[in-house]
Amino acid sequence: DAGITQSPRHKVTETGTPVTLRCHQTENHRYMYWYRQDPGHGLRLIHYSYGVKDTDKGEVSDGYSVSRSKTEDFLLTLESATSSQTSVYFCAIRGGLAETYEQYFGPGTRLTVT
Amino acid sequence: RKEVEQDPGPFNVPEGATVAFNCTYSNSASQSFFWYRQDCRKEPKLLMSVYSSGNEDGRFTAQLNRASQYISLLIRDSKLSDSATYLCVVTGGGNKLTFGTGTQLKVEL
Repeated sequence: DAGITQSPRHKVTETGTPVTLRCHQTENHRYMYWYRQDPGHGLRLIHYSYGVKDTDKGEVSDGYSVSRSKTEDFLLTLESATSSQTSVYFCAIRGGLAETYEQYFGPGTRLTVT
Repeated sequence: RKEVEQDPGPFNVPEGATVAFNCTYSNSASQSFFWYRQDCRKEPKLLMSVYSSGNEDGRFTAQLNRASQYISLLIRDSKLSDSATYLCVVTGGGNKLTFGTGTQLKVEL
């Protein structure tokens, strides 16, 4: 158990509304990631963070922003949700006892944009 | 060409069978390789890392062929509980992982 929680676990929202998803970790990991998972695409990286206030874009970052003001929290914001952002969103942290490339995932958030 | 390619399956096998999955990757600079398991509507979970020399964990054996740029996963004595989707994962640039779309395994009585 990597001590990762995500909230909310499920959300239905309307097109054009802002949405913020939260990822919380309890083990002080430096790297955190946001992915989305859609049928036929596998997991795709949205944004990642390599420290407090240090973030960078992934392959599908358009329409998303992130913030990391504390080590333990990594927020993903959809400024104006669209139906194409209906997906399952996973947060992940990198590493175990030592820095490795292994990532461990939170339970996911199912987001539906109507 | 996709960066990581897997046969989506499903592979339907009887309990006790041996089953193997292959995965090919396009980035010759990739250094780390993994197999993850994902159950329906759950998060991916690390099954095992894949080392150049090959490695085994109980009924699971992973192999890496850098020259041909493929990774394999062998499952012996399949159990019903092995039914899941298996994701092939390789490092891309920097701190990022690239995921395959997964191979679905169904183990049947």
